[in-house]
Amino acid sequence: GENVEQHPSTLSVQEGDSAVIKCTYSDSASNYFPWYKQELGKRPQLIIDIRSNVGEKKDQRIAVTLNKTAKHFSLHITETQPEDSAVYFCAAVYAGNMLTFGGGTRLMVKP
Amino acid sequence: DTAVSQTPKYLVTQMGNDKSIKCEQNLGHDTMYWYKQDSKKFLKIMFSYNNKELIINETVPNRFSPKSPDKAHLNLHINSLELGDSAVYFCASSQGRNSYEQYFGPGTRLTVT
Repeated sequence: GENVEQHPSTLSVQEGDSAVIKCTYSDSASNYFPWYKQELGKRPQLIIDIRSNVGEKKDQRIAVTLNKTAKHFSLHITETQPEDSAVYFCAAVYAGNMLTFGGGTRLMVKP
Repeated sequence: DTAVSQTPKYLVTQMGNDKSIKCEQNLGHDTMYWYKQDSKKFLKIMFSYNNKELIINETVPNRFSPKSPDKAHLNLHINSLELGDSAVYFCASSQGRNSYEQYFGPGTRLTVT
């Protein structure tokens, strides 16, 4: 199966700063990489995703980059706000539609 | 108008019991999933199911079984519950094999005493 590593496990930033979370994956056949945000006691929510035929995707303050050669992908959040505080998960698809998740990053945005 | 729903929200039971968690989606999706999130927040896929194919994560004990009465429902049945089964279980769905976006239910917190 797929193995996904995520770093850092915790990240603290000042409001207005940028935050970057990085993931690596093991299966070169993976072609879909979503990012989920999970607030305390809530369900994971899809915030952005990228497919293997694209190197970068942006949605307002959130962007994701993918390096297929190195098997790395990253989430970038600019102009962070306190409501961005949550646990963020990266994932990679394998076996057609199964998602393997990274270990999560707890992001804390200090006002 | 909830897209993916689960019942119950909380489930407390004793070791050795058998329990079920229900999941329903009204998105018209073809594929449904069950995930387990442990106390350290690790999210792990347990099953992927559509009307043609069940894919099982090989690490899932056979005490766990998905049951689908129809395309909109995928229930999780657990036999002989153990302490280590305590976790939050999430149901999710996606449109089909070529559409990977998965949408999660609110979760069921299972506590085994």
